Amino acid sequence: NAGVTQTPKFRVLKTGQSMTLLCAQDMNHEYMYWYRQDPGMGLRLIHYSVGEGTTAKGEVPDGYNVSRLKKQNFLLGLESAAPSQTSVYFCASTDRPYSNQPQHFGDGTRLSIL
Amino acid sequence: RKEVEQDPGPFNVPEGATVAFNCTYSNSASQSFFWYRQDCRKEPKLLMSVYSSGNEDGRFTAQLNRASQYISLLIRDSKLSDSATYLCVVATGFQKLVFGTGTRLLVSP
Repeated sequence: NAGVTQTPKFRVLKTGQSMTLLCAQDMNHEYMYWYRQDPGMGLRLIHYSVGEGTTAKGEVPDGYNVSRLKKQNFLLGLESAAPSQTSVYFCASTDRPYSNQPQHFGDGTRLSIL
Repeated sequence: RKEVEQDPGPFNVPEGATVAFNCTYSNSASQSFFWYRQDCRKEPKLLMSVYSSGNEDGRFTAQLNRASQYISLLIRDSKLSDSATYLCVVATGFQKLVFGTGTRLLVSP
């Protein structure tokens, strides 16, 4: 019952460093999403993918890139980390767009940029 | 104006109390509506979907008013385990979720 798995769980970076967050789902879901959550704010959509090989921008895409080379994986990249990117990042997936089916969330990646 | 607005609380209630949360959304093109629950910055978990006809799941009742763009959640007979942050969520095209900032509930003995 893995569901949605995010790696790493925690990371501390220095300003300017790069890293990639991995999201993997074993439910054969078509749609995958990356959100960030900051204190006092709701989760905000960074990028999303509606299928293998496709990506699209969400509400707050600047400073991030994504790739969906395999259906089960959705990668979020920070090319040059900035302190403003300190946040909790959640990945989610669903197989039922345009419906009331829920998104399944990973348990988050806590990222600090010094 | 935020796309989904909620009273942040906290709502402090005793066990057994009934508590109601409200939420408004601004995008009339919103397609689906949900209440999620989040514990201590863990991942959000679906509590229930919300339908115009109203729906109930045990002690929880949700209601949607599309004309007023208003969503509500009623919790009856509150339990200590209900203490959490309740997120009002609407979905637009491609099931992109827009989250409210959440309403914090604290249930005390």
